[in-house]
Amino acid sequence: EAGVAQSPRYKIIEKRQSVAFWCNPISGHATLYWYQQILGQGPKLLIQFQNNGVVDDSQLPKDRFSAERLKGVDSTLKIQPAKLEDSAVYLCASSLGPGAYEQYFGPGTRLTVT
Amino acid sequence: GENVEQHPSTLSVQEGDSAVIKCTYSDSASNYFPWYKQELGKRPQLIIDIRSNVGEKKDQRIAVTLNKTAKHFSLHITETQPEDSAVYFCAAPLTGTASKLTFGTGTRLQVTL
Repeated sequence: EAGVAQSPRYKIIEKRQSVAFWCNPISGHATLYWYQQILGQGPKLLIQFQNNGVVDDSQLPKDRFSAERLKGVDSTLKIQPAKLEDSAVYLCASSLGPGAYEQYFGPGTRLTVT
Repeated sequence: GENVEQHPSTLSVQEGDSAVIKCTYSDSASNYFPWYKQELGKRPQLIIDIRSNVGEKKDQRIAVTLNKTAKHFSLHITETQPEDSAVYFCAAPLTGTASKLTFGTGTRLQVTL
């Protein structure tokens, strides 16, 4: 079974530039999550999708971050404009759906903002 | 919201010894508690989880115990091996909804020869 795929794996941008990350969840998984993991910390949930609808985005900094999952499969997370403090690994995870709590993570995108 | 505290932040054990990592949570309605292992530069990997209707779950050399009254759960690794060296994260549901997790701050486990 293929795992969660993410791209790019690494990205370096200057502050105030924009960046986008892509995630393809495990086939058949209805729930998709985006996490931010700052070096030395645990992952922090940014947004949760159930199919193509947003379940929770209470911790997403909406002034600069946006995410979509238009067809209920792939998802993109965008940052515009980026700040230095956005430097982190952005992890995508997926789970089967309601009642299936196990989350499986992708390899992440390491973002460096200079 | 949920608050998850994890201890210790670092742990060094000799190969073959046991390691125990403990987490406490604040929301008494929480019902799902996973543990993740993250090797350097790699993705968090789900290694074991427990639901609130059981007190203990075991999978070969790893086990998780849950004390709902005290609101804490622990990861136990027996007969540690060098490949167990990694950062381990516990997690608990955010606001009692099992699908949204709050992660602990992580424990860096070093298994020495």
